[in-house]
Amino acid sequence: EVQLVESGGDLKQPGGSLRLSCAASGFTFSSYTMSWVRQAPGKGLEWISYISSGSDTIYYADCVKGRFTISRDNAKNSLYLQMNGLRDDDTAVYYCATESNWNKADYWGQGTLVTVSS
Amino acid sequence: DIQMTQSPSSLSASVGDSVTITCRASHNINSYLNWYQQRPGKAPKLLIYAASSLQSGVPSRFSGSGSGTDFTLTISSLQPEDSATYYCQQSYSTPRTFGQGTKLEIK
Repeated sequence: EVQLVESGGDLKQPGGSLRLSCAASGFTFSSYTMSWVRQAPGKGLEWISYISSGSDTIYYADCVKGRFTISRDNAKNSLYLQMNGLRDDDTAVYYCATESNWNKADYWGQGTLVTVSS
Repeated sequence: DIQMTQSPSSLSASVGDSVTITCRASHNINSYLNWYQQRPGKAPKLLIYAASSLQSGVPSRFSGSGSGTDFTLTISSLQPEDSATYYCQQSYSTPRTFGQGTKLEIK
């Protein structure tokens, strides 16, 4: 069974840093592109980043470019999101998701809540 | 960036009814269009990919159509568990933008 478990969400002050993790199991993690998608409270879904299976291709949404860094460790079946320069509008539930053929996000974690507030 | 526009933003229907949600892309995305269902407090779930392909395990009363810029999600024979918010997403290019969502209420 495919499982994605996010962790690391917390309450942070503006300007702070946080590292999210996504632990994967039940599939060959090293073969999949992985994405981060977030959802602000009461709002819609916002795609923020993806990383290819071998980490050679990485994209970011403009809203996080230069502040967030996506990475992965295929030996540990883990995906990461390093978040620096946090802002109030980064407050959201952060989901990791697999991306497979047709670039569809077919499996999602349960999400981890990041709150940025002074 | 490709903008995705969904309509309506909300709708209400009864058990057994059929409903259609539309999604329009600002540029041609061929068939790179996915539909997701999100129940309150839960993670999104993939329903349809490549505009019309049903994800494994999804009931056949969900169907998708369209190509280019105009797409539809149809849910036939509505069930109480279909109460959720539905999102379209283009996966043709980055950023992989979502529509703003359509909230479906089952009366």
